[in-house]
Amino acid sequence: DAGITQSPRHKVTETGTPVTLRCHQTENHRYMYWYRQDPGHGLRLIHYSYGVKDTDKGEVSDGYSVSRSKTEDFLLTLESATSSQTSVYFCAISAETYEQYFGPGTRLTVT
Amino acid sequence: RKEVEQDPGPFNVPEGATVAFNCTYSNSASQSFFWYRQDCRKEPKLLMSVYSSGNEDGRFTAQLNRASQYISLLIRDSKLSDSATYLCVVNGGSYIPTFGRGTSLIVHP
Repeated sequence: DAGITQSPRHKVTETGTPVTLRCHQTENHRYMYWYRQDPGHGLRLIHYSYGVKDTDKGEVSDGYSVSRSKTEDFLLTLESATSSQTSVYFCAISAETYEQYFGPGTRLTVT
Repeated sequence: RKEVEQDPGPFNVPEGATVAFNCTYSNSASQSFFWYRQDCRKEPKLLMSVYSSGNEDGRFTAQLNRASQYISLLIRDSKLSDSATYLCVVNGGSYIPTFGRGTSLIVHP
């Protein structure tokens, strides 16, 4: 299995609080992605990174920001969590072959 | 039209059956194609890549039809452990893949 970890694995937070999710890889892959997965919607891309300090928005980026200061770490921040951001968040990595490998996911509940 | 479309199922089949899923895509410039498997409450995992010449891995066969813009996944001799959701993924030449919403397979005794 590709070396990808996500932390925390589960989190419950209150509306209006900031939340940061971390994705860490040991594969030295260039590309990293954050997705959310909700029933009826499938996987939706939030943000992605194509190198250190190089990031771009996906299809559902509103309310989220990212940072990548090192190859191995990609952080997703919910600036002010809302109940609509309750979801399962997956990080993924890929090299030059387009194949993606996913982390185990973070289950976030915003109350 | 959605970029990548899959029949959501569920496909409910007995052990030992052969089952096939199709996935259609709209971008004729798409270059890379994959099937992923996702178990309930788990992350998607790469099952196999789909090459122009087709690809076989044990009981699983994937094929690409560029003219009709679809890929297929055939599972022979279904096992209970094959029960999962199968996601079709298409890359249009960038590093941003497009995921289908998945097809649910239930294999029963």
